[in-house]
Amino acid sequence: DTGVSQNPRHKITKRGQNVTFRCDPISEHNRLYWYRQTLGQGPEFLTYFQNEAQLEKSRLLSDRFSAERPKGSFSTLEIQRTEQGDSAMYLCASSLGESTYEQYFGPGTRLTVT
Amino acid sequence: DQQVKQNSPSLSVQEGRISILNCDYTNSMFDYFLWYKKYPAEGPTFLISISSIKDKNEDGRFTVFLNKSAKHLSLHIVPSQPGDSAVYFCAASAENSGTYKYIFGTGTRLKVLA
Repeated sequence: DTGVSQNPRHKITKRGQNVTFRCDPISEHNRLYWYRQTLGQGPEFLTYFQNEAQLEKSRLLSDRFSAERPKGSFSTLEIQRTEQGDSAMYLCASSLGESTYEQYFGPGTRLTVT
Repeated sequence: DQQVKQNSPSLSVQEGRISILNCDYTNSMFDYFLWYKKYPAEGPTFLISISSIKDKNEDGRFTVFLNKSAKHLSLHIVPSQPGDSAVYFCAASAENSGTYKYIFGTGTRLKVLA
């Protein structure tokens, strides 16, 4: 296990379809984050898990978005009824927590909604 | 409301010289800061961090300085190398306020000229 992995790396979907992304964090990390990044911007926080508990959600995360981390390991981010404005890079990051706050990012999933 | 600002979208530096990347923030509750480097088609890579109880942290060629009164931090890279060419993001968090989300700046594209 050398880092955070995300699947798929690319997803093209038609408007109105549902999509699901997966993130596998570094194995001993108990914190997991989802971010969204659009062109020319930094990553924008979406949501955060400590183990299986979703502790914080951004108001960017509309009711069409849902994230889960059922066993405190991998996480999924689902977007229902996709819109063209959802096109972005979706980044997952994990951190050890406790006194170590550095987040380690995966390569991201690029979503294109046509 | 951009709480973390990187006002220079780009910077060019000669190889071997110092690169200085700047970041300003507005939220006085921020107590932990990180710098990330991002290459195209990859997720951000953690570089260096600093807690608000310090004013300097050094790791090899990378040094981060924090000026709390000015709400300003900077990343110094000495000597700059062509491989340092990337987009650099600063990020801030208010860990001691019970929130674990990081707010990212918009990034500065560094180009190191050989």
